[in-house]
Amino acid sequence: QVQLVQSGAEVKKPGDSVKVSCKVFGYTFTGYYMHWVRQAPGQGLEWMGWIDPNTGDTKYIEKFKGRVTMTRDTSISTAYMELTSLSSDDTATYHCARGFGGTAGLRNDIWGQGTVLTVSS
Amino acid sequence: QSALTQPRSVSGSPGQSVTISCTGTSSNVGGYNYLSWYQQHPGKAPKLIIYDVTKRPSGVPDRFSGSKSGSTASLTISGLQAEDEADYYCCSYAGDYSLLFGGGTKLTVL
Repeated sequence: QVQLVQSGAEVKKPGDSVKVSCKVFGYTFTGYYMHWVRQAPGQGLEWMGWIDPNTGDTKYIEKFKGRVTMTRDTSISTAYMELTSLSSDDTATYHCARGFGGTAGLRNDIWGQGTVLTVSS
Repeated sequence: QSALTQPRSVSGSPGQSVTISCTGTSSNVGGYNYLSWYQQHPGKAPKLIIYDVTKRPSGVPDRFSGSKSGSTASLTISGLQAEDEADYYCCSYAGDYSLLFGGGTKLTVL
């Protein structure tokens, strides 16, 4: 069964870093881009960027440049999203999502269940 | 870039049709046909229901349809059902291999 399984909820303090994982089941990990999208409580979806699991190439939106790093481990079909210098504004649910169809995979057809991150002192 | 503009809420009765708009600019919605719609029920992950403006993934009922005119895309849900009550988000290609979501629309089935 095609699915993305993410790591569990995290509680961090301001200034900390977090690394969220997204393990792929049921398809070839390197065949599709992996996107990351977050959603603050009661708010809308915010696209963060993508990684090409085949090459390791990444694309981040300007807002997160310098704070976000997307990586992958092809040996275990897992993508990672690390966010540093956390603040309360980063409290959100973080989703990984498979991107399909051409360069950057601009359509997200399979989503992870989400990882809840709480940043609080 | 600012989020694409969607109405905060829409509503309709069972069996009726509703349309949700998504307005952007020539740099995103108006410039490309990479426009997707996602349905999100409370506490759940988003689900792709329309991609490339008009295409439906396998398993999505044909009650859901998409269109675009200029810089405004639309999602129409016909034959409204109770289970359609959810949040809906549009998402457009915004150039330079980036994506941009709309602010989301809450659909209430009366």
